[in-house]
Formats: sequence, C-alpha cells, structure tokens
Amino acid sequence: AQRVTQPEKLLSVFKGAPVELKCNYSYSGSPELFWYVQYSRQRLQLLLRHISRESIKGFTADLNKGETSFHLKKPFAQEEDSAMYYCALSLDRDDKIIFGKGTRLHILP
Amino acid sequence: ETGVTQSPTHLIKTRGQQVTLRCSSQSGHNTVSWYQQALGQGPQFIFQYYREEENGRGNFPPRFSGLQFPNYSSELNVNALELDDSALYLCASSARGSGYTFGSGTRLTVV
Repeated sequence: AQRVTQPEKLLSVFKGAPVELKCNYSYSGSPELFWYVQYSRQRLQLLLRHISRESIKGFTADLNKGETSFHLKKPFAQEEDSAMYYCALSLDRDDKIIFGKGTRLHILP
Repeated sequence: ETGVTQSPTHLIKTRGQQVTLRCSSQSGHNTVSWYQQALGQGPQFIFQYYREEENGRGNFPPRFSGLQFPNYSSELNVNALELDDSALYLCASSARGSGYTFGSGTRLTVV
C-alpha cells in the first residue's frame, strides 16, 4: 500500500536558519509528489508539486526516487513560514491524494 | 472565480444520528474528493466523485456515503454516527491537471 511518512511532528528553527522538512514515501511506481501547507486559521493549500520543479516562497523539493524521498527545503527561514506542512502523493493527477501526518514548523525569532 | 465552500462550518451531533455535509466545488472543477482529518493527523481519503460517479474509495465503512450533483457540488452522508467520527471533514475539488483546491472544512463533533 502507498504510504507517506513525515518523521517529525514538530520542527523548531531559528529565523534565518535553513529548514528541511523530511518526507519519505512507499510506492513502487512513479507517483506525483506534493507539499501542502496550512497557515494558522487558513485552509489547506498547495505549496508545490514535484513535476513543476518550481520554487514557491523560497521552498524547493527534489524527488529522490532511489531514497523514495521528497524533502522540503528553504535556505533561510522566515517567521511567516510557521505553519503545518503535509507531504502527499498521488498515483496520477486525478487519483486520490494520500497525505502524511504533517510536520508543524515553528520559526523562532 | 469562486473557491470551494463547505457547509456547515461546525456541527454537533449525538451518537447514532445521521449527518449530511455539503460542498460546492470551484468553478470549472468536475471532481470532488472528501477527507477526514482527526486531531493531530493528516487528512485521510474517504472517497472521490467524478462526473457524478464514485471514482475511488478509501478505507471507510459503508455508513460513509456520498453524492455528486450535475453542477458538481457534493454531499457526504454519515449514518449511525460514532464518537470516533468526530473530526474535520475536508472537501477538495479539481479538474484534470489542475491540482486540488480545498475548502475550509466542517468540524463535526459527536457526543
């Protein structure tokens, strides 16, 4: 069965420090990988998807098929990055999306 | 362009009762997916509807059922409510290749 693992429930990082949110997945094929973010009192929204290969709000994520990972990175954390982050996978663009349990990122001033 | 709207925002029901949650999809989207998010957990896939037909289902019992209407809005029905059904229920709409747009959710409390 497909599964997404986010090993950290909470990650605290000082402002200006690098951020890395870990995500590993289990699926033998070629899934589509996403990162979703939920800011306080806001709805869940798409941050980025691996097929786009884009950087959003300074965040990037590289799909590593050998390690089945899709870690989210940002070189310099900002206070507004504090939020709940969910890694997710889909077997194709319109299939169900499977979410990890999420990591709460807390940026310290 | 309107987003995804869900109603009601909050709901309290008694164990054994039935509940209907509603979702209006984003304009141009023909697919609706429903998720259950328990406290401290990630969203769990319940089912998806595409053009009024169920198009995939997660590991939820048959007392969770749904509908999609010709205007692509959708309902989630839960019968014989249990205490563990207390959660945030999220609706997401999409169109081919568009990605998912989520609603704000309905918080259901079963007492």
